[in-house]
This record gives sequence, C-alpha cells and structure tokens, in this order.
Amino acid sequence: SQQGEEDPQALSIQEGENATMNCSYKTSINNLQWYRQNSGRGLVHLILIRSNEREKHSGRLRVTLDTSKKSSSLLITASRAADTASYFCATDSGTYKYIFGTGTRLKVLA
Amino acid sequence: EAGVAQSPRYKIIEKRQSVAFWCNPISGHATLYWYQQILGQGPKLLIQFQNNGVVDDSQLPKDRFSAERLKGVDSTLKIQPAKLEDSAVYLCASSLQGAEKLFFGSGTQLSVL
Repeated sequence: SQQGEEDPQALSIQEGENATMNCSYKTSINNLQWYRQNSGRGLVHLILIRSNEREKHSGRLRVTLDTSKKSSSLLITASRAADTASYFCATDSGTYKYIFGTGTRLKVLA
Repeated sequence: EAGVAQSPRYKIIEKRQSVAFWCNPISGHATLYWYQQILGQGPKLLIQFQNNGVVDDSQLPKDRFSAERLKGVDSTLKIQPAKLEDSAVYLCASSLQGAEKLFFGSGTQLSVL
C-alpha cells in the first residue's frame, strides 16, 4: 500500500528555476524522508525531517513538514539538468518500516 | 565503502517459471528490506529483516514469494511460480540498526513473458 501521494506526478522546468513537489500521507509519522531515483537506478537518500520539525535545509534542498495537514514539500532551488530524476517521499511511523509515495518525475531542461 | 550489491541486474523469464534474486547489504547493516517497484509507481515494501529475523512481511504474497536471510547478512528473494504482474524492479535496501537512512542497491529488473 502507498502511504504517500505526491503531486504533481510530473514536472518540467527550465534550468535555473525552482522545483516544488508535494507529498501527502495518511497516518501519523515519526519522520519523513525524500529520495531521488535516476532512471534505471536505486534510490538515493536526500533529506530527513522529523515530526517535531517544520523546516529543514540541505544545500539547494528545502523541506517543510505540516503534520496537521499530513503533508510535506520539497523545494529544489536553482535546478540543474542533473536534477532530472524521480523524487519520492517515504514515511516511517516509528517501526523503521518505510512506506514510499507515488513519486514526482522532474525534468529540468537545459 | 561498498554499497548494496544486487544480482542479477536483469532477468527475463516466462510465466510459471521460478526466479531468485540476491542481495548483499552494506557491511554491518542489520536491517534489510526488499521492495517491489512496478513501472511508474513508488517502491512497495515486501519484507523487512532485522538480522536474520523477519520484522514485517505483511505485503509479501506468500503463496508465491519467499525470502530468507539465513546468517543475517546476504538475502535471497524467490518467486515461484512467476506471474505476468510480477514484472517489476526488485530493490534491496539496508540500514544500520536503529538508523533511519536507507541505502539502496541498483535493483533487479524482472520481465515475465
């Protein structure tokens, strides 16, 4: 079963623009993570935000979490062609059982 | 540091045949996961191991899928017999015990014809 649902499903932007993708989930969580998946490869961890945090930054990434709305957003600033990938949120309810969302396919045009 | 190793990289079989996938997690990682990722979807958790014990296999179709991690290190996932809908990428991931970050292998792409 999918815990998270992401939107948009697909996003196409120009290099240098910002990309925002959203994740909504259904049950209470301990933490929420974002992963990137390049075509034909495994997933790579990007950033983790805990349920008691509201915002977190890592380089060009900014993640927000609103537990009252059961939603999170990932912002990638100044996008590069190399950011082209699929992005997934994953939630953990405290048992280290990670449930992934449906993903957003991001295409950054050079 | 070596990453999570998976083999084979690709596998093509006919329906009703059997297939097995192998995963070698990062050294010292006690927790191991198998995920199924159907094209265009997010990864779906099949089974979670802690050392050689099963923590969660609620989403594993046990009539045809089996998995083991006998010595708490390598793991194998088997499908017998395969169905067309099993066509997917099978991803293995591992993490340190109590850690939250997952490390993924490159996956095995299975095509069932």
